[in-house]
Amino acid sequence: DAGVIQSPRHEVTEMGQEVTLRCKPISGHNSLFWYRQTMMRGLELLIYFNNNVPIDDSGMPEDRFSAKMPNASFSTLKIQPSEPRDSAVYFCASSTPERIEAFFGQGTRLTVV
Amino acid sequence: AQSVTQLDSHVSVSEGTPVLLRCNYSSSYSPSLFWYVQHPNKGLQLLLKYTSAATLVKGINGFEAEFKKSETSFHLTKPSAHMSDAAEYFCVVSDRPGGYNKLIFGAGTRLAVHP
Repeated sequence: DAGVIQSPRHEVTEMGQEVTLRCKPISGHNSLFWYRQTMMRGLELLIYFNNNVPIDDSGMPEDRFSAKMPNASFSTLKIQPSEPRDSAVYFCASSTPERIEAFFGQGTRLTVV
Repeated sequence: AQSVTQLDSHVSVSEGTPVLLRCNYSSSYSPSLFWYVQHPNKGLQLLLKYTSAATLVKGINGFEAEFKKSETSFHLTKPSAHMSDAAEYFCVVSDRPGGYNKLIFGAGTRLAVHP
């Protein structure tokens, strides 16, 4: 099992640019989560998908953030336009109803300059 | 709403001595609780989980945690620290808004292990 795969591992971009983070969940997992980790706020849930449908996006900070899950094996988190305060590590995690814990990817470290 | 409080932001121990990382939780019903570990520049790895079975839960790498309802605590322990245990540890509670398992993370405890 390859685990949750995220790309890129590191992203440096200029303020105002569009950023797209990608995630491939574990095969067979029907729940997918995007988390953001910062020094100030710790780990925060941004959005949760179940069976490719967004169920809870109350953690998405503002309209500049959007997430999609076009199929069971792929999800994206997009920031447009990016701002320096978006700099953080973004984690994707997946799970199943039978396993209440989530399995995390290695994360994407985003730096907006 | 569910929440967890990690009582120490930093813990420092010597190699070979016991480790204690403290966590208190707040829950309106019987919670599911977890400890995750994050090594530098790595993702989060599940150490152990409590789901209303045995109150003493054994995890990977010699760690264990005890669920104490009367104290609303779920402290993480290890009898003898190893240098490779140096990492950040997160106590996590599962909430179920709308029927799905939402993980609520504590602020984390950074464990340093000295020779």
